[in-house]
Amino acid sequence: RKEVEQDPGPFNVPEGATVAFNCTYSNSASQSFFWYRQDCRKEPKLLMSVYSSGNEDGRFTAQLNRASQYISLLIRDSKLSDSATYLCAVSPGGGADGLTFGKGTHLIIQP
Amino acid sequence: DVKVTQSSRYLVKRTGEKVFLECVQDMDHENMFWYRQDPGLGLRLIYFSYDVKMKEKGDIPEGYSVSREKKERFSLILESASTNQTSMYLCASSLRTSGGDTQYFGPGTRLTVL
Repeated sequence: RKEVEQDPGPFNVPEGATVAFNCTYSNSASQSFFWYRQDCRKEPKLLMSVYSSGNEDGRFTAQLNRASQYISLLIRDSKLSDSATYLCAVSPGGGADGLTFGKGTHLIIQP
Repeated sequence: DVKVTQSSRYLVKRTGEKVFLECVQDMDHENMFWYRQDPGLGLRLIYFSYDVKMKEKGDIPEGYSVSREKKERFSLILESASTNQTSMYLCASSLRTSGGDTQYFGPGTRLTVL
């Protein structure tokens, strides 16, 4: 199974700032991409899927760069409640194959 | 809302015991998955199933088996628990669609093997 790499951080960011992090994947045939959020001692929860054209959901923007094989997550106007670990996940897609997860980026929003 | 439930939040077992972890989803999803999550290693896929009575090995199937007798239920079995199987175990389910396979996770079972 191919690798998915993330900077583990932690990223310490003041409240209200914009923060971005990337996730690289090695399997060029990957078709499906996701960002999950995981709070301490909780299960991962889907934050957003990542589409080829990029997508935005409120303060969150996800982008896919197939040529360079990475996905990115941008958080604008960060809130204290955004503090969490952000996992990227990649799948061959089209069926039942499990997701390959990065180890996560730990984000801490400071007041 | 998708709901994935796991039979126990915390479990303590002894080395050599047979352990059953149960997972149930209520959204008629075809696909179900078992992962373990360890500090520094992230989430790793143990087994998955895309239909009743079907199973596929993931990245780290050694020491585990699974059972899927009903669509909504996927069980993970540790035939003879060992201390290196102490971990957080997460079950997930997803629809089988061609457009991607968003997975929804249960709350996890934190297993300690003594």
